[in-house]
Amino acid sequence: AQTVTQSQPEMSVQEAETVTLSCTYDTSESDYYLFWYKQPPSRQMILVIRQEAYKQQNATENRFSVNFQKAAKSFSLKISDSQLGDAAMYFCAYRSDRGATNKLIFGTGTLLAVQP
Amino acid sequence: NAGVTQTPKFRILKIGQSMTLQCTQDMNHNYMYWYRQDPGMGLKLIYYSVGAGITDKGEVPNGYNVSRSTTEDFPLRLELAAPSQTSVYFCASRGGGSWPQHFGDGTRLSIL
Repeated sequence: AQTVTQSQPEMSVQEAETVTLSCTYDTSESDYYLFWYKQPPSRQMILVIRQEAYKQQNATENRFSVNFQKAAKSFSLKISDSQLGDAAMYFCAYRSDRGATNKLIFGTGTLLAVQP
Repeated sequence: NAGVTQTPKFRILKIGQSMTLQCTQDMNHNYMYWYRQDPGMGLKLIYYSVGAGITDKGEVPNGYNVSRSTTEDFPLRLELAAPSQTSVYFCASRGGGSWPQHFGDGTRLSIL
């Protein structure tokens, strides 16, 4: 069974600085998708960025980028020029490309604080 | 475009009561999901559906039931509420292929 591990329960960053959130996963599959979701205090689950495993190029979305290391099964999220609005819980998630479920498997999350 | 709408947003139940959490989406998505999020944890899958009339169990289905009579609606039923079901419940939907899941705003449920 696939698992997702986020080893940093909490992180802190100064406003305008860069922070990297770690995520590792375990799978025997070769085709899958990886996601980072942001959950602010409002409780919404907001998609930040996604990566297809067959793509070697790392995904980027404005100030958010990932470092996808398929062989190492690592999928870290880098937030550049951190803003106060980035403070939230961040979840890494895995989704298989096989089977009917296509369910998301979530890590336990990293709580990011942004200091002014 | 409303996306995924969940009602209610908050609810307090007594042990043994029953209730239905409503979820509707207006994106014509075939795939729909119910997750629960316990404090300090990620989301775990309760039930899912790949289309109208088709549902199946996820990781933590005990104590819950679902139905999918239309593409738009995917209600989650709690028959005999127990304190262990105190959680935040999220409904999500997805189109086919590589599209990501879209989440509703969640329902915070407390069983006392």
